[in-house]
Amino acid sequence: DSGVTQTPKHLITATGQRVTLRCSPRSGDLSVYWYQQSLDQGLQFLIQYYNGEERAKGNILERFSAQQFPDLHSELNLSSLELGDSALYFCASSGGQSHNSPLHFGNGTRLTVT
Amino acid sequence: GESVGLHLPTLSVQEGDNSIINCAYSNSASDYFIWYKQESGKGPQFIIDIRSNMDKRQGQRVTVLLNKTVKHLSLQIAATQPGDSAVYFCAVHYDKVIFGPGTSLSVIP
Repeated sequence: DSGVTQTPKHLITATGQRVTLRCSPRSGDLSVYWYQQSLDQGLQFLIQYYNGEERAKGNILERFSAQQFPDLHSELNLSSLELGDSALYFCASSGGQSHNSPLHFGNGTRLTVT
Repeated sequence: GESVGLHLPTLSVQEGDNSIINCAYSNSASDYFIWYKQESGKGPQFIIDIRSNMDKRQGQRVTVLLNKTVKHLSLQIAATQPGDSAVYFCAVHYDKVIFGPGTSLSVIP
């Protein structure tokens, strides 16, 4: 068990809708990362937060947004959903602001857009 | 920016043989490298890491080699077991944490 909790495990929704994915990092970790993994694809970096502030941004669509709250949990909001947004979304956390510590991953949220 | 690639998307090995999985990265300023293992239905799990001031690091049955000259990273698994079957990703840390596309390792009993 990595200590990172993601909810929900599965989400099925229709095109055009909006969903929110939630992540609770490991106790004590200040950094939260979001990744997208499509079928048979690698992990695409979306965004990183450190202690509530955006730290780094990857290939995140404008329809997607994220935030990290004072209690350090994070949410990833996906809006105007398209079929191509169907994927596994992973959250990871690490202890430091710098990138020199391992990431600990949750088990992901599987999003299906129909 | 940073790009990370792997030489082989799939690898099949006999149980008991050694496995070698490779990774190439583009940014010579990258200073921290990690190998992760992802089993079906789970998130990636940390296996071993190495910092740029090292060439080699060993763990239990795993060794990571770093060649900064050619920007190449490899993971060696000794005496591969059926439980090692998974997808293996290298991750390169620079201003972001970028993952390679992954190698799917199959162990033949």
